[in-house]
Amino acid sequence: DTAVSQTPKYLVTQMGNDKSIKCEQNLGHDTMYWYKQDSKKFLKIMFSYNNKELIINETVPNRFSPKSPDKAHLNLHINSLELGDSAVYFCASSPRNGLAGGRFTDTQYFGPGTRLTVL
Amino acid sequence: AQSVTQPDIHITVSEGASLELRCNYSYGATPYLFWYVQSPGQGLQLLLKYFSGDTLVQGIKGFEAEFKRSQSSFNLRKPSVHWSDAAEYFCAVALWGGSEKLVFGKGTKLTVNP
Repeated sequence: DTAVSQTPKYLVTQMGNDKSIKCEQNLGHDTMYWYKQDSKKFLKIMFSYNNKELIINETVPNRFSPKSPDKAHLNLHINSLELGDSAVYFCASSPRNGLAGGRFTDTQYFGPGTRLTVL
Repeated sequence: AQSVTQPDIHITVSEGASLELRCNYSYGATPYLFWYVQSPGQGLQLLLKYFSGDTLVQGIKGFEAEFKRSQSSFNLRKPSVHWSDAAEYFCAVALWGGSEKLVFGKGTKLTVNP
């Protein structure tokens, strides 16, 4: 069974369009993340949610809007797509994130990625 | 600012040879360190992690890494590389700012020659 899944795997679209990427985890984790990997393979965190609450927002343009309908899902909606949005987007999840008193770090489990190409 | 540096963009080794991938971090507090591997067209898989304790950490697929605080390094090693190890390798540090987030290095691409 796939632990962290993303749909679609590939997404090709025109500039100016609006698109969504979906992510689901069946691990029972509380925390989910979105990362962007650019053409040079550099990975950078975009957002993190804990139990449907936004906890990390890394100066991402507000054209990007994450939505978490429940703690097993974290979707990424992108408005008015631009050429620079072309990248591979990875979803990840981890059991918890240390909000409940003190720091601790759990392993993040990554999905297979969604390759977005904006023409 | 906190950062992770992987000095080698691309490394080529022969199958059966030993491997060392370098990682240096810049972080004021005790670092939590990770190595991930990304095979072509795939997501990231955790190889190993260091939180505390023994500075030599064993991971999956025969990999190990050694944390050296004095050198701010967390280098990944494997004594004998297999062709299936060809992939992109990422070092990461977990930062704490009210919540955990991973900061990745820019990756090292490993090519394995037969």
